[in-house]
Amino acid sequence: KAGVTQTPRYLIKTRGQQVTLSCSPISGHRSVSWYQQTPGQGLQFLFEYFSETQRNKGNFPGRFSGRQFSNSRSEMNVSTLELGDSALYLCASSLVDSHNSPLHFGNGTRLTVT
Amino acid sequence: TQLLEQSPQFLSIQEGENLTVYCNSSSVFSSLQWYRQEPGEGPVLLVTVVTGGEVKKLKRLTFQFGDARKDSSLHITAAQPGDTGLYLCAGEKDSNYQLIWGAGTKLIIKP
Repeated sequence: KAGVTQTPRYLIKTRGQQVTLSCSPISGHRSVSWYQQTPGQGLQFLFEYFSETQRNKGNFPGRFSGRQFSNSRSEMNVSTLELGDSALYLCASSLVDSHNSPLHFGNGTRLTVT
Repeated sequence: TQLLEQSPQFLSIQEGENLTVYCNSSSVFSSLQWYRQEPGEGPVLLVTVVTGGEVKKLKRLTFQFGDARKDSSLHITAAQPGDTGLYLCAGEKDSNYQLIWGAGTKLIIKP
């Protein structure tokens, strides 16, 4: 069974641009969560989607948005990029929801904003 | 505010030594998970503990959940280079089911 796939693996953008990251969950998994990881800060929760609906949202500004498609694939978008948005963005899928079944993480998209 | 404090932040030891890393909080968690993340990869779940005082073993790794469910420890016996990685703990609170993550302990085992 294929794992969680995130594309692209690396991205370099400049301030003010916008970016879209993609996540394909494990087949059959309906929940997709997004996290931002920076050194010393751990994983910061962005949002969780289940059956195309955003079920939970973290404390990030409105520049961060996401969506989930009918096939459970998910995208997240960051508009008006800032230098502080440079981070590893991780996607995790789970069978039902993130608190009743284990999270399976992708290898992340490393975003660098210059 | 970091609700889960992990210590030490960084640990470098020789192969064969024992070590313990900690995950502490003033909050009570309904469960606590430990993950290992290797460079260039996402975190991989090692174990989930749910009962106060619970001890779980995974080969040379021993995980313990505090009696009050506010803290946890991970003990590694006879560490090997393959244990190198970032160890993350994540606690789940009953109130909103979101996972709260620690910043991690970066562990390097030198051959």
